[in-house]
Amino acid sequence: DSGVTQTPKHLITATGQRVTLRCSPRSGDLSVYWYQQSLDQGLQFLIQYYNGEERAKGNILERFSAQQFPDLHSELNLSSLELGDSALYFCASSVAGDGFAGYTFGSGTRLTVV
Amino acid sequence: AQKVTQAQTEISVVEKEDVTLDCVYETRDTTYYLFWYKQPPSGELVFLIRRNSFDEQNEISGRYSWNFQKSTSSFNFTITASQVVDSAVYFCALVSGRGSARQLTFGSGTQLTVLP
Repeated sequence: DSGVTQTPKHLITATGQRVTLRCSPRSGDLSVYWYQQSLDQGLQFLIQYYNGEERAKGNILERFSAQQFPDLHSELNLSSLELGDSALYFCASSVAGDGFAGYTFGSGTRLTVV
Repeated sequence: AQKVTQAQTEISVVEKEDVTLDCVYETRDTTYYLFWYKQPPSGELVFLIRRNSFDEQNEISGRYSWNFQKSTSSFNFTITASQVVDSAVYFCALVSGRGSARQLTFGSGTQLTVLP
């Protein structure tokens, strides 16, 4: 157990729908990162939050949004889902926000859009 | 900009063979960190090692060893006496850049299959 908790582990939904992925960071970690892993794009950085504030954005679609709450858990919202959004979504956390310490990853949420 | 290249998409070896996974990185920064992660068939990403740009000493941990060479911008990973349980996708990753927000940039990964 890495200490980073992601729920749900699996999610199957239809095109056009909206889903929310949840992440609880490791105790003491202030920074949360979201990554998408798809077969054709590999591991892509989506967005980072540090202590409740957005710190950096990567290749995140406008249909996707995220937030980090006061208790430091984070949610990634995916809307108007398309078949191509099917992927493994990882959350990771770190103590600091600069990335140099590396991340601890959760076990991921596997999203299947049908 | 930062980039990580893992040219070996797939490698297959027989158990007990040694295998080296290549990683070449690009960054214009002098301060950076390199990482290796393992992704077994179960899907989670497991941290293996972190190395900063100022420490070129090779690292050995059991059957695992890492060779960091700044002159060739490479951070290769060798598994000695491979085992079936080593079968996984291995990712090399880089963090560099100025400012307070830095993210891991991953290579495309190398699928290692160890046959019994």
